[in-house]
Amino acid sequence: EDQVTQSPEALRLQEGESSSLNCSYTVSGLRGLFWYRQDPGKGPEFLFTLYSAGEEKEKERLKATLTKKESFLHITAPKPEDSATYLCAVQAVNNAGNMLTFGGGTRLMVKP
Amino acid sequence: DAGVIQSPRHEVTEMGQEVTLRCKPISGHNSLFWYRQTMMRGLELLIYFNNNVPIDDSGMPEDRFSAKMPNASFSTLKIQPSEPRDSAVYFCASTLGLNTDTQYFGPGTRLTVL
Repeated sequence: EDQVTQSPEALRLQEGESSSLNCSYTVSGLRGLFWYRQDPGKGPEFLFTLYSAGEEKEKERLKATLTKKESFLHITAPKPEDSATYLCAVQAVNNAGNMLTFGGGTRLMVKP
Repeated sequence: DAGVIQSPRHEVTEMGQEVTLRCKPISGHNSLFWYRQTMMRGLELLIYFNNNVPIDDSGMPEDRFSAKMPNASFSTLKIQPSEPRDSAVYFCASTLGLNTDTQYFGPGTRLTVL
């Protein structure tokens, strides 16, 4: 069974204080690892897809990296508007389709 | 471009009543997913359609839940009868249907069963 564990569950940062969010996964074969951002009262918003170990992707203050067992979402010099819940999900090669297994999320709060 | 559209955005009902949630996927997308999100269990996949055909409904909690996709532009998730433990946010997502394609989520329906 595919499993995704995110840590920490919650993270409080001061504006400008860089940090990383962790996503550990167990899957029979990884087709893709996805990062989403979710704001309160809204649906998850797509950020990145990573396909193979060693791959990195960046978007503004966010950078996602992937190894064979985990992914990190690095946040550089965060701003209050980066406050949200960040969700990680995996898609396995043995899936019949595009099904995703989600982790529990990390709730990020950035104080000004 | 219009994203995934869900209605209603909020639903409050009493235990035992029938509830119908609606979803319009992004035009041209061939796959549609229904999820449920709670604090305790996070985001769980309920059912997945490809080309309007249900592919995997193993996440549907019990017979009280049913989902249909009569055409490429519309899907419903029905709960009958509803129970307080069904209270959650229900999301619909769609993709083009290709492997590894990104899922785009709607704004969700917050369901409260009293």
